[in-house]
Amino acid sequence: GEDVEQSLFLSVREGDSSVINCTYTDSSSTYLYWYKQEPGAGLQLLTYIFSNMDMKQDQRLTVLLNKKDKHLSLRIADTQTGDSAIYFCAETSGSARQLTFGSGTQLTVLP
Amino acid sequence: GAVVSQHPSRVICKSGTSVKIECRSLDFQATTMFWYRQFPKQSLMLMATSNEGSKATYEQGVEKDKFLINHASLTLSTLTVTSAHPEDSSFYICSAKLAALYNEQFFGPGTRLTVL
Repeated sequence: GEDVEQSLFLSVREGDSSVINCTYTDSSSTYLYWYKQEPGAGLQLLTYIFSNMDMKQDQRLTVLLNKKDKHLSLRIADTQTGDSAIYFCAETSGSARQLTFGSGTQLTVLP
Repeated sequence: GAVVSQHPSRVICKSGTSVKIECRSLDFQATTMFWYRQFPKQSLMLMATSNEGSKATYEQGVEKDKFLINHASLTLSTLTVTSAHPEDSSFYICSAKLAALYNEQFFGPGTRLTVL
């Protein structure tokens, strides 16, 4: 089946940029997503990218997609303490449009 | 924006009892709702896909007789954990899709179930 992988932890200093990476195996992925989850809460959609795009920018967030390598990244510019959370990448493919999630990356922002 | 609520947010029950969790789309009609389970510090695992007016489609390994899903209306889906055991303790999250072809899922805040 489809597999989505992420590194588990990332620590950055406040004000620096964060880059969270994700790889996936399903070559028929149509949409790829980044979600943010704060402790004890549900998931908040941050951004998504269609598979025929290679970059999308939305304020402090930049998504890069390398479809050939099946690699997705999320860059957060000027990272703030409020950005500390778990970030999940996810993909959908097929008619059912089910989401397959990565393991999540715990981002810790140090003062 | 589209809002999904879950009730209750936390529930503690005794082993052997049943617990019902509600998922509601507050300001839109959801043709499809999804139920996920999340263990501590782990990813979300899809349990089942629920379409209004039809039987839920369960993922492999998920017992449909234990996790009863009812999608009675376009704004409400319920998950009932029957004869709960401590190993059923988890964080249950639902999501809802706006329409069949629209790709975005809106997530509820989750329900923390603890079975004693």
